[in-house]
Formats: sequence, C-alpha cells, structure tokens
Amino acid sequence: KNEVEQSPQNLTAQEGEFITINCSYSVGISALHWLQQHPGGGIVSLFMLSSGKKKHGRLIATINIQEKHSSLHITASHPRDSAVYICAVSGAGGGADGLTFGKGTHLIIQP
Amino acid sequence: ETGVTQTPRHLVMGMTNKKSLKCEQHLGHNAMYWYKQSAKKPLELMFVYSLEERVENNSVPSRFSPECPNSSHLFLHLHTLQPEDSALYLCASSQRLLSSYNEQFFGPGTRLTVL
Repeated sequence: KNEVEQSPQNLTAQEGEFITINCSYSVGISALHWLQQHPGGGIVSLFMLSSGKKKHGRLIATINIQEKHSSLHITASHPRDSAVYICAVSGAGGGADGLTFGKGTHLIIQP
Repeated sequence: ETGVTQTPRHLVMGMTNKKSLKCEQHLGHNAMYWYKQSAKKPLELMFVYSLEERVENNSVPSRFSPECPNSSHLFLHLHTLQPEDSALYLCASSQRLLSSYNEQFFGPGTRLTVL
C-alpha cells in the first residue's frame, strides 16, 4: 500500500507570501493529484499530474517521479486560498483506481 | 444540473436506523467511488464501481452496503451503524478506471452523525 506523507501539517502565512506544500509517496504511481477542501467538506481537484509541472493561475504543481515527491506552490497568496490542501496518488497499474490520500495541509492566509 | 451531487447533505441517525446516501453524477462518467473522511484521519477509499460493477471493497464492514443501479447513480445503504461511523462521506466519479488521466470529481459530501 502506498504511504503518502504531506508537510507541513499546518501553515499560517501573511497575504502575499509564497507558499510551498510538499508531498512524498512510497510506491510508484500512475498519477498524483492535488485537491483543495474548504470548510463544509467540498473537494475540488486542482491538478492531476504524472510528470513535470503544471500551472493554473497562481498555483503551480511539480512532480519528480524518480524522487517520488511533489510540491504545490501558491504565489501571491490571498485569504481566499485558506483551505486544506490534500495530496493523493492513484496506483501504478492493476486493480481499481481509487485514490490514496495524505492527511492534508491546513493553510491559513492572514490579511 | 451539473457535476456530482449528494443527498442528504446532513444526516443524524440512531444505531438501529436504516438510511441511504445517494450520489448522482451528470458528467457521463463510468466509474464511481465512495470515500470516508473521519476527524483527524486521511480520506479512505471504501468502494469503487466501474460500469455498475463493484471492483473494489476496501475491507469495509457489512453494515455499509453499496448499490450502483446505473452509471449515473450510486447509493450507500446504512444499517446498525456505530457512533465511530460518524464522518463525512464523499462520492466521486471519473471517466474510467485504470487510466493515467483519471481525474476524479467530488460531490459535496454527506455529514453523518450516528447517535
């Protein structure tokens, strides 16, 4: 079973700061997902990547397959970015493709 | 209506009750999932359905019984639950299984409290 570790668990920063959240996993994967969960529970998929780098607005996600590591960056952070950010991985093949999740990083951006 | 919807959004039930959670996806996807999110724990996969067939049961107790009557609907039938089953239950769907591009779309969740 894949072990997914995220760091930090909690992060408080000031508006405008550059934010980095890290994720590492133990077994080869087919894809890594970054998800955002707001209070109330709804989850939104931010990125799904299997190599390289993706950018969407102020969000950037990178993955290093050899090192089994991914980072999520937020540039020019804003209070509306406050949420729990969850890293999840889908298997390297065979079997059902449900996700294995990290514990999440609780991000608070203060004005 | 678009995306993935779940009803009810909140549910309080006694240990002897029988209730059902409903999930509906309007995305034309072929795979659907039930996840459980307990306080202070990571999300856990419970069940996976592909083309209305269950393809994974992740060691879930039999008091949780899934049903997938068609590719757009997924139910989770609950009976004789325990207080530790109180959690947020999330439904998700994806276009298909076993794909490197298997982005999952989540519903808003049902917050379940078992008294």
